[in-house]
Amino acid sequence: AQSVTQPDIHITVSEGASLELRCNYSYGATPYLFWYVQSPGQGLQLLLKYFSGDTLVQGIKGFEAEFKRSQSSFNLRKPSVHWSDAAEYFCAVGDTNAGKSTFGDGTTLTVKP
Amino acid sequence: GAVVSQHPSRVICKSGTSVKIECRSLDFQATTMFWYRQFPKQSLMLMATSNEGSKATYEQGVEKDKFLINHASLTLSTLTVTSAHPEDSSFYICSALNRETQYFGPGTRLLVL
Repeated sequence: AQSVTQPDIHITVSEGASLELRCNYSYGATPYLFWYVQSPGQGLQLLLKYFSGDTLVQGIKGFEAEFKRSQSSFNLRKPSVHWSDAAEYFCAVGDTNAGKSTFGDGTTLTVKP
Repeated sequence: GAVVSQHPSRVICKSGTSVKIECRSLDFQATTMFWYRQFPKQSLMLMATSNEGSKATYEQGVEKDKFLINHASLTLSTLTVTSAHPEDSSFYICSALNRETQYFGPGTRLLVL
């Protein structure tokens, strides 16, 4: 069965600092991988996704993620965080057959001024 | 592109009544939609997979007679919470599948008094 682990429940960074959110997955084949962001009381917005090809994926809002098969990881990065990036971030692995996704427990990002 | 709407965004109802939540894909057709429930500061809990023209597939532990799902067209799925009770109060989020990627609605906050 597929699973996703986001080891960091809560991360605090200063505005302008770099950010890396960790995601580890378990899946039997080449996975579909996603990062979503959720602001309080809102739905989830897709930041980026990986299906195949280049392992460094660019997304919206200046985010990128790198797929590392050897480490079963898909970490999310941003070089300079803005106060508006404060939110909940979810990593997900997609079932390539059924379209269902398994979500991690999320990482709450706080941005200090 | 890939916009999903939900209606209503917020609903308050009395215990024992039924509430219908609509999920629409606005600029694409979705054979498959998903319904999630999210508790405060927690991840998404998949309730059911909604397939156009067929019966929904419910996750283990989700009462299909209580949470009725109808997916009558390629752009609309509905979730009806029947005989709602206070413990059904939650944030309900739908998503629609487009090319192996889930796009989420903004969510519906249900409060049962």
